[in-house]
Amino acid sequence: QVQLQESGPGLVKPSETLSLTCTVSGGSISSYYWSWIRQPPGKGLEWIGYISYIGSTSYNPSLKSRLTISLDTSRNQFSLTLSSVTAADTAVYYCARAVGSTWHFGLWGRGTLVTVSS
Amino acid sequence: EVVLTQSPGTLSLSPGEGATLSCRASQSVSSNYFAWYQQKPGQAPRLLIYGASSRATGIPDRFSGTGSGTDFTLTISRLEPEDFAVYYCQQFGDSLQYTFGQGTKLEIK
Repeated sequence: QVQLQESGPGLVKPSETLSLTCTVSGGSISSYYWSWIRQPPGKGLEWIGYISYIGSTSYNPSLKSRLTISLDTSRNQFSLTLSSVTAADTAVYYCARAVGSTWHFGLWGRGTLVTVSS
Repeated sequence: EVVLTQSPGTLSLSPGEGATLSCRASQSVSSNYFAWYQQKPGQAPRLLIYGASSRATGIPDRFSGTGSGTDFTLTISRLEPEDFAVYYCQQFGDSLQYTFGQGTKLEIK
């Protein structure tokens, strides 16, 4: 059974860089598209960006200037870095998997709360 | 950017009743790449419907999705207590971007 697990610091200072990793267990990172999605407390879902199994990326235009998503196939992981964070970046961050032919998110991690505060 | 607008914002119903949730897109989207999710407090979203009308694995047949173009509907017949949650629509478009609706909260009346 394939599972996704987010990991990273739960607290980041303003103006610093947020870094998270999603580990894929029980299956291969190949042949799928891997996204980051976030949800501020009490609010809705916001797609951040994705990376494909061959390393191509697509980013939310509103975050693109601060965002990098990378892939480590040897570790079955993909990562998110978001620079110059502010309190508005406080959210639960989810990683999720999509199939390229249908593009829906059929598998999600449990999410990790990242708080931006000094 | 495609904007998805869900209505109503909150829907108050009783178990056993039927629910109709709407999602309207600011421009035509592909029904092949349109989905619905359910989210309960403290949990990740769960896929309900993909391709606008196909139920995901394990989703009861009281959940159904319809629509095309700019108007999509999620219908839940005979609400069960576990159906009370927040529901999101989602689309994937030609610009290789995803967008989500703002959510509809289905609450017990």
